[in-house]
Amino acid sequence: EAGVAQSPRYKIIEKRQSVAFWCNPISGHATLYWYQQILGQGPKLLIQFQNNGVVDDSQLPKDRFSAERLKGVDSTLKIQPAKLEDSAVYLCASSLDDRGQNTEAFFGQGTRLTVV
Amino acid sequence: QKEVEQDPGPLSVPEGAIVSLNCTYSNSAFQYFMWYRQYSRKGPELLMYTYSSGNKEDGRFTAQVDKSSKYISLFIRDSQPSDSATYLCAMSGAVDSSYKLIFGSGTRLLVRP
Repeated sequence: EAGVAQSPRYKIIEKRQSVAFWCNPISGHATLYWYQQILGQGPKLLIQFQNNGVVDDSQLPKDRFSAERLKGVDSTLKIQPAKLEDSAVYLCASSLDDRGQNTEAFFGQGTRLTVV
Repeated sequence: QKEVEQDPGPLSVPEGAIVSLNCTYSNSAFQYFMWYRQYSRKGPELLMYTYSSGNKEDGRFTAQVDKSSKYISLFIRDSQPSDSATYLCAMSGAVDSSYKLIFGSGTRLLVRP
């Protein structure tokens, strides 16, 4: 079974530029998460999709971050404009979640973003 | 108060030692409890998954959940240098009518040969 795929693996941009990350979850997984992990900290949930609807985006800085999930499968996370403090690893995860409850979540390798 | 508290370590032990990693939480709605292992520059890898209270064993790993104390543990027996990583606890339950997956800050473990 293929895992969660993310791209790119690394990205370096200047502050005020824009950037986009892509995630392809495990086939058949209904729930998709985007997390931000700053060095030395645990992952912080940015947004959670159930199929292509948003379940939670309470910690997403909506003035600069946006996310969408296309046809309930792939997802993109965008930052525009980027700030220095956005430097982090952006992790995508998915779970089967066929009963509206969280089951095991599986992670991709992450995208390491450096804003200079 | 954070929803999930975890000692960041680092925790350094000799090879073969029994390791105990712990998390406490504040929200009694949490029902599903997970432990992830994260190697440097990698995504978190699911190690153990338990529902509600009790113990679960998988090889050298044992997960314990005590919902009455809001306390979860991961024990690693016969620890190996390859176990050196950051261990993240995570939990989920119905919070504000949706199921969120919340992580602790992670404990860095170093197993010395």
